Amino acid sequence: AQTVTQSQPEMSVQEAETVTLSCTYDTSESDYYLFWYKQPPSRQMILVIRQEAYKQQNATENRFSVNFQKAAKSFSLKISDSQLGDAAMYFCAYRSASGNQFYFGTGTSLTVIP
Amino acid sequence: KAGVTQTPRYLIKTRGQQVTLSCSPISGHRSVSWYQQTPGQGLQFLFEYFSETQRNKGNFPGRFSGRQFSNSRSEMNVSTLELGDSALYLCASSKVDTQYFGPGTRLTVL
Repeated sequence: AQTVTQSQPEMSVQEAETVTLSCTYDTSESDYYLFWYKQPPSRQMILVIRQEAYKQQNATENRFSVNFQKAAKSFSLKISDSQLGDAAMYFCAYRSASGNQFYFGTGTSLTVIP
Repeated sequence: KAGVTQTPRYLIKTRGQQVTLSCSPISGHRSVSWYQQTPGQGLQFLFEYFSETQRNKGNFPGRFSGRQFSNSRSEMNVSTLELGDSALYLCASSKVDTQYFGPGTRLTVL
């Protein structure tokens, strides 16, 4: 089974600064999807960003962008101009293009300091 | 378009009882997955249903079961509840390659 590793259990960032959350994954497949989900204290999991492995261009959604390094099997999330509302648990997830199951990392808890 | 809905949002049960949780996917989504989330174990995959058939199953005991109806709504059942079943149960629906989550059902077993 594929594994997704988030090596930073906790991170903190000053408001308006930039922070990068790390994610690595293990797979032998060449076609897959990667995701970042945000889970605020309300517990609702929200899709932040999605990346297709066959696309070399890094995905971007407003202040959120990824650094996708396919050869290194790395998928980091950069949050620019951090806001108090960004405080949440962030989960990295993997899904094979040929399969249906999602694999999640253990999450990174992000604190935003005013 | 309405999001994924889960009912009930909160539930308190006692050991030995059984419980049924419900999930209504986003309209047009035929795949529904269930996850258990606990502070110690993180997000654990329970099972996935597609067109009324269980397509994938996680490593959970047979006390955990599910089903999906023809309208894609899904239910999850836990029999003979144990204290360790206290958790947030998340449902997610997908149409192609992306999952969208519901707000979860918080189950407390006393």
